[in-house]
Amino acid sequence: GAGVSQSPRYKVAKRGQDVALRCDPISGHVSLFWYQQALGQGPEFLTYFQNEAQLDKSGLPSDRFFAERPEGSVSTLKIQRTQQEDSAVYLCASSLRDGADTQYFGPGTRLTVL
Amino acid sequence: GQNIDQPTEMTATEGAIVQINCTYQTSGFNGLFWYQQHAGEAPTFLSYNVLDGLEEKGRFSSFLSRSKGYSYLLLKELQMKDSASYLCAVRDQGGTGANNLFFGTGTRLTVIP
Repeated sequence: GAGVSQSPRYKVAKRGQDVALRCDPISGHVSLFWYQQALGQGPEFLTYFQNEAQLDKSGLPSDRFFAERPEGSVSTLKIQRTQQEDSAVYLCASSLRDGADTQYFGPGTRLTVL
Repeated sequence: GQNIDQPTEMTATEGAIVQINCTYQTSGFNGLFWYQQHAGEAPTFLSYNVLDGLEEKGRFSSFLSRSKGYSYLLLKELQMKDSASYLCAVRDQGGTGANNLFFGTGTRLTVIP
């Protein structure tokens, strides 16, 4: 079956623009996670959904970052008024049930803010 | 908080064995994962340990000692395609039981002929 997919794969934005990054989890997976990965670093947790409920958003770096999963499947990570420090790869992962299950990652969206 | 340490880079020869170490400090330990990540690609799941001991899966093995806060990933019969970053990640229940994953910076392994 299909794995986690993300779009776009690459996004270039001018500073101050808003961006929206999409994640399609593995079909039937209840839990969905967003991570931010800076160059040469490991992924850092941003937020976690179980179905449509956002259970943890403690990793979101500022109120410019917003995530939603309205129907418990596809999720969108939105970044408003992008800054250069937002440049990173944004990874999405899903797991079958809750956070106790193995997470499977998508290929990521590489965001470059000029 | 969480503190996860692993070497930044390692080099090994094709056909050899390499051991990548990971040490961690966490308050709500609930398992340790190893992921492989090729440049520009998604991390892919390699192994999972929650109890002490060795888990073997083909050319890859992973060891955990909870009392020492220590794990290693062992790669045998190295192949050129094993050149990648290897990420150690600790699952932490935290105060809310959220079971989030916390990653180290990754170890970039280069396999040379």
